[in-house]
Amino acid sequence: SQKIEQNSEALNIQEGKTATLTCNYTNYSPAYLQWYRQDPGRGPVFLLLIRENEKEKRKERLKVTFDTTLKQSLFHITASQPADSATYLCAPPESGNTPLVFGKGTRLSVIA
Amino acid sequence: DAGVTQSPTHLIKTRGQQVTLRCSPKSGHDTVSWYQQALGQGPQFIFQYYEEEERQRGNFPDRFSGHQFPNYSSELNVNALLLGDSALYLCASSPRAGGGADTQYFGPGTRLTVL
Repeated sequence: SQKIEQNSEALNIQEGKTATLTCNYTNYSPAYLQWYRQDPGRGPVFLLLIRENEKEKRKERLKVTFDTTLKQSLFHITASQPADSATYLCAPPESGNTPLVFGKGTRLSVIA
Repeated sequence: DAGVTQSPTHLIKTRGQQVTLRCSPKSGHDTVSWYQQALGQGPQFIFQYYEEEERQRGNFPDRFSGHQFPNYSSELNVNALLLGDSALYLCASSPRAGGGADTQYFGPGTRLTVL
């Protein structure tokens, strides 16, 4: 069955450094993948969408890569700030344009 | 421009009871999806409504049902509540049917506690 794994439950990083979060998927090949941010007790907020024919996507300090050979997406936050502390979720569709399947998320803590 | 709104914010029920959660989509959106998020887990897709019909459904029992109204707002109903139904219930809207291809705009959620 399809499986989505995010590299770790929690990641602590020093302010100013680059945070790198990993999302691996198995047993299928999604046409795109979305990344969301979720703060405690709140709904997820969309950040970026990357399609299978795009190697990289950027938005301000955020960068997402999509390696269909490795079946992996990497999410980078450069010059991280304490305000970036949140849980980050990756979400490819189950298949085609079906609804998203969310990973468990990685809780990022940026320490000042 | 109001985003997705949900009510109530919090709810406490006992086992066996029934609950109704409500959602108003973002202005201009006609598709509503519901998700269940247990503590420490990612959101799990329950079902999606478009043109007042259930279009897609996740792996949830029939105790979970829904409705969409002509103004695109939606309700999620859960019957015969179990302790395991305790979770954050999220509503998300998008501008057209097509599943997850569209960006999902999430509401703040309803925290349901079943005792």
